[in-house]
Amino acid sequence: AQSVTQLGSHVSVSEGALVLLRCNYSSSVPPYLFWYVQYPNQGLQLLLKYTTGATLVKGINGFEAEFKKSETSFHLTKPSAHMSDAAEYFCAVSSGGYQKVTFGIGTKLQVIP
Amino acid sequence: DGGITQSPKYLFRKEGQNVTLSCEQNLNHDAMYWYRQDPGQGLRLIYYSQIVNDFQKGDIAEGYSVSREKKESFPLTVTSAQKNPTAFYLCASRGQEHQPQHFGDGTRLSIL
Repeated sequence: AQSVTQLGSHVSVSEGALVLLRCNYSSSVPPYLFWYVQYPNQGLQLLLKYTTGATLVKGINGFEAEFKKSETSFHLTKPSAHMSDAAEYFCAVSSGGYQKVTFGIGTKLQVIP
Repeated sequence: DGGITQSPKYLFRKEGQNVTLSCEQNLNHDAMYWYRQDPGQGLRLIYYSQIVNDFQKGDIAEGYSVSREKKESFPLTVTSAQKNPTAFYLCASRGQEHQPQHFGDGTRLSIL
């Protein structure tokens, strides 16, 4: 079984401030982890992924995430928020096989000018 | 450019009517998925297909049906048995296990 918990359904940050979106997962086998971004009335776009290897993963638009096995976490960060970062962000876990990719409920990021 | 095309963008259903949502991909991916998205509930899996002529129920398959006659196409039918069909529907595909899914731009279904 696998699951994803995203802490905070809404997060607000000031423009230029650090963005931190939290994701914790559970998985009975080594997980594969993803962060996606969704703009209104659009599909999900991949920001970054962790499969194997380096635990600090860099993605598009200046985002990065660190896989911490001991904490079962995969938090998403960006040093300086931009107005265009306002969107909904989803963390997802896949434990193997085609069947199951489990998504968190999403975190809506608001960027205040 | 390769990608996933969902149509229509907006769809309206009358009571007792079946409607079909289209999903086409030119990524040569074997696996395809249908998700339903409701506010505050994330994405819930309706059906998925790993190969042509084979598909499996997801977590919320009741009231929905699919077919997979071609690798490129995975249409979803929302039947009259689905009593609360108003939602945003997302189609996705995946080339290999452990790789991320690619998503279409979604279809928003509403009730007239």
